[in-house]
Amino acid sequence: AQSVAQPEDQVNVAEGNPLTVKCTYSVSGNPYLFWYVQYPNRGLQFLLKYITGDNLVKGSYGFEAEFNKSQTSFHLKKPSALVSDSALYFCAVRDMTGRRALTFGSGTRLQVQP
Amino acid sequence: DAGVIQSPRHEVTEMGQEVTLRCKPISGHDYLFWYRQTMMRGLELLIYFNNNVPIDDSGMPEDRFSAKMPNASFSTLKIQPSEPRDSAVYFCASSSTDSSFYEQYFGPGTRLTVT
Repeated sequence: AQSVAQPEDQVNVAEGNPLTVKCTYSVSGNPYLFWYVQYPNRGLQFLLKYITGDNLVKGSYGFEAEFNKSQTSFHLKKPSALVSDSALYFCAVRDMTGRRALTFGSGTRLQVQP
Repeated sequence: DAGVIQSPRHEVTEMGQEVTLRCKPISGHDYLFWYRQTMMRGLELLIYFNNNVPIDDSGMPEDRFSAKMPNASFSTLKIQPSEPRDSAVYFCASSSTDSSFYEQYFGPGTRLTVT
């Protein structure tokens, strides 16, 4: 079965500094990988996805993610963090058993300090 | 587009009462998902529908939970009888076969508190 791991419960970064939120995956076959963000009292919002092609994927709000097949990672990055980026971030992978569903990681809380 | 709509946004009920959560997916989407989010268990897929037909309900915790989708624009998740351990945020999401691969759009959620 497929799975994703987000090893950090929380990431703290100062505004203006680069940020990285880590995700590793375990699947058999080619992965479809996703990042979602959840702001307080809101539903999850799609940020970006990797299906195939360029290993660097660009998404909404200036976020990007780097797919690394050898390290089975899909880390979320942003060159310069904003206080408004503070939220809960989820990595997800396509279900590989034929279900049209996503398997989500446990989430990483990002705190950007002014 | 209004996005996925869920109601109510907050529900407080007493143990043993019936609870019904409602969802309107994005128009034209043919997949609908129900998730539950708790601190302990994170985000769990409960059930999903394709063209109004339940495809996988393996995540439904027990017989007290049931979900229906009578038409393409409406779904309900019912808990009867409710228990305090059902307290969670319940999300509905929708997706389209024609859209980007497996991308899902989430509603704002219903925060359920069972006392």
